[in-house]
Amino acid sequence: QVQLQESGPRLVNPSETLSLTCAVSGFSISSGDYWGWIRQPPGKGLEWIGSLYHTGTTYYSPSVKSRVTISVDTSKNQFSLKLSSVTAADTAVYFCARDRGSGWPDWGQGTLVTVSS
Amino acid sequence: QSALTQPASVSGSPGQSITISCTGTSSDVGSDNFVSWYQQHPGKAPKIMIYEGSKRPPGVSNRFSGSKSGNTASLTISGLQAEDEADYYCCSYARSRDSSVFGVGTKVTVL
Repeated sequence: QVQLQESGPRLVNPSETLSLTCAVSGFSISSGDYWGWIRQPPGKGLEWIGSLYHTGTTYYSPSVKSRVTISVDTSKNQFSLKLSSVTAADTAVYFCARDRGSGWPDWGQGTLVTVSS
Repeated sequence: QSALTQPASVSGSPGQSITISCTGTSSDVGSDNFVSWYQQHPGKAPKIMIYEGSKRPPGVSNRFSGSKSGNTASLTISGLQAEDEADYYCCSYARSRDSSVFGVGTKVTVL
């Protein structure tokens, strides 16, 4: 059973960089599949941020492409999200998940990140 | 890319069937059979209910079914139960753009 767990600061200052890590257990990232990040502002819908293949190839949403970096550390079986120059609009629950293209079968529990001074 | 269009809300009585639509474009929903559907209860992570348009993952009730026609995908819940009350999201993978897009979400209410 694949399990994912997000971790990182819950409060980020405006204009700074949001950083989150997703630890994966029950499956080796280097074995394949895509891995991605999805966010959900309070009371709103889901938004795809980007996905990464285990080789390091990345795909980003046009809405955040200029500010986002997703990377992988196969030695630790985890992948990370960095979102720069954040504003209050980036306040959301951030989910990491396994992306099979045909669907997202496995999700982390999500972590609320608030952008505020 | 714009979010896929879904009705804001759908309701039904226990035992009835309801259908949620998800409309995109020929570049996403209409291009491949990579539409998936998610159920989300308040405060919880989304749960996949349908993948590749009409396939159910192990453990998902056969009361949930998916289909597609042109640029519109649909999720049907038959024999509606109180536990089905939740938000539902569609998602489409657009191979030509190597991107995913979610629907705006539909709140299902069991009357």
